[in-house]
Amino acid sequence: LAKTTQPISMDSYEGQEVNITCSHNNIATNDYITWYQQFPSQGPRFIIQGYKTKVTNEVASLFIPADRKSSTLSLPRVSLSDTAVYYCLVGDGSSNTGKLIFGQGTTLQVKP
Amino acid sequence: ETGVTQSPTHLIKTRGQQVTLRCSSQSGHNTVSWYQQALGQGPQFIFQYYREEENGRGNFPPRFSGLQFPNYSSELNVNALELDDSALYLCASRAGTGGLGEQYFGPGTRLTVT
Repeated sequence: LAKTTQPISMDSYEGQEVNITCSHNNIATNDYITWYQQFPSQGPRFIIQGYKTKVTNEVASLFIPADRKSSTLSLPRVSLSDTAVYYCLVGDGSSNTGKLIFGQGTTLQVKP
Repeated sequence: ETGVTQSPTHLIKTRGQQVTLRCSSQSGHNTVSWYQQALGQGPQFIFQYYREEENGRGNFPPRFSGLQFPNYSSELNVNALELDDSALYLCASRAGTGGLGEQYFGPGTRLTVT
C-alpha cells in the first residue's frame, strides 16, 4: 500500500483558500486518492476522492497531476469551522477489504 | 436516515479485563469496519465484517475479535486489556465491500485502561 506524506500542520485565516498537498510517490495503478476530515472527538468524514486530473464537489477540489505522485486538496474560502485534521489516503479501488490507511494527517488551524 | 451510532461513549476498564463495544451501522449498509485511534495519531484498521464474517484484518492480535449480526450491527471485543489499548475506537459502515466509496464513521467510544 502506498505511503502518504503530508504537512503536520497549517495555519490560515478566514476567507482564504487553503491548499494541502500530499505526496504518494509509490502510488499504484489501481489506487485512488481519498481525503477525510476529522473534528475533535468525532469520527472522520469523507471529503472527496479522485483518480486523476481534477475533481470538485460542494466542499472541496482535488487536483492530481499526470504522474499521480502527489495530490492537492483545495478548500475555498475557509471558515473557523474548517479547523480540523485532514487525512490523505491512497488505496486500491479494487480491494474488497475496505482497509483505509490513515497517516498522521494535517492539522489545519483557521484563525479569525 | 440514521447515521452510525456507537455505545458506550466513554468507558474505563482495568488492565486484564474484557470489554465489548457496540456499533449500529447506517441504514442500508452491510459492511462494518473497526478502527483504533490513539491520541494524536490517525485511525488504524482493526478488521472488517461483511455478511457476518470477517473479511479483512489489520495488525492486531487475536484478543481483538468481533461479531456482526443479521441486522448488520457489530461488536468489538477486546480481551486481556492492556494500557496501550486506551484509545478512541471508531466504527465505520458502508454498502458493499468494494474499496471505492466513502465510509461513514460513528463518533467513537473512548476507552481508558488503567
